[in-house]
Amino acid sequence: DQQVKQNSPSLSVQEGRISILNCDYTNSMFDYFLWYKKYPAEGPTFLISISSIKDKNEDGRFTVFLNKSAKHLSLHIVPSQPGDSAVYFCAASVEGAQKLVFGQGTRLTINP
Amino acid sequence: DAGVTQSPTHLIKTRGQQVTLRCSPKSGHDTVSWYQQALGQGPQFIFQYYEEEERQRGNFPDRFSGHQFPNYSSELNVNALLLGDSALYLCASSFSPRRTGELFFGEGSRLTVL
Repeated sequence: DQQVKQNSPSLSVQEGRISILNCDYTNSMFDYFLWYKKYPAEGPTFLISISSIKDKNEDGRFTVFLNKSAKHLSLHIVPSQPGDSAVYFCAASVEGAQKLVFGQGTRLTINP
Repeated sequence: DAGVTQSPTHLIKTRGQQVTLRCSPKSGHDTVSWYQQALGQGPQFIFQYYEEEERQRGNFPDRFSGHQFPNYSSELNVNALLLGDSALYLCASSFSPRRTGELFFGEGSRLTVL
């Protein structure tokens, strides 16, 4: 049972444009959501998070939106840069517990 | 400041053998979690260690066991290896087991079972 799903295995975006990565979840107990970025031969690195009490969180070029009724979150990257090319994982957890449930990942490619 | 370090980076085993993977957490961290990432999938939670005890466990059989030492480093042991155990094994550390937030991951140990 895949509780966190990223339905797009890959996404290609032109440099300078907006990248939008999507994630859906099924477990209504999840109340904390994170995005991780992974380069080849490196471990995942934390990007941005959001608690279920919010519907938006911004950090520089990165914004995460949460739609609890739809059980959907998205990551917006504006403007996209070549260094953003990586695999992006969405993850979810229950507040106070560190067990993260990850999606399958989306490979983002930024084209010059 | 050293981040999370894991060893070995790559290893090859045959079915039925046993393997031990090692992890040193980021400086100042006392909690270690292990994840298995199969090819093309996201990481899956195996278990978490804090104060030298297993605190949470994911849906993995008893062949997967672990240990945490007084210096907070950790080991992951897998017995009776199966072909399906081939994966990248990631160690992650944090300040506290109850603090929900970003985990710091190591580069992983890639295990191939033949």
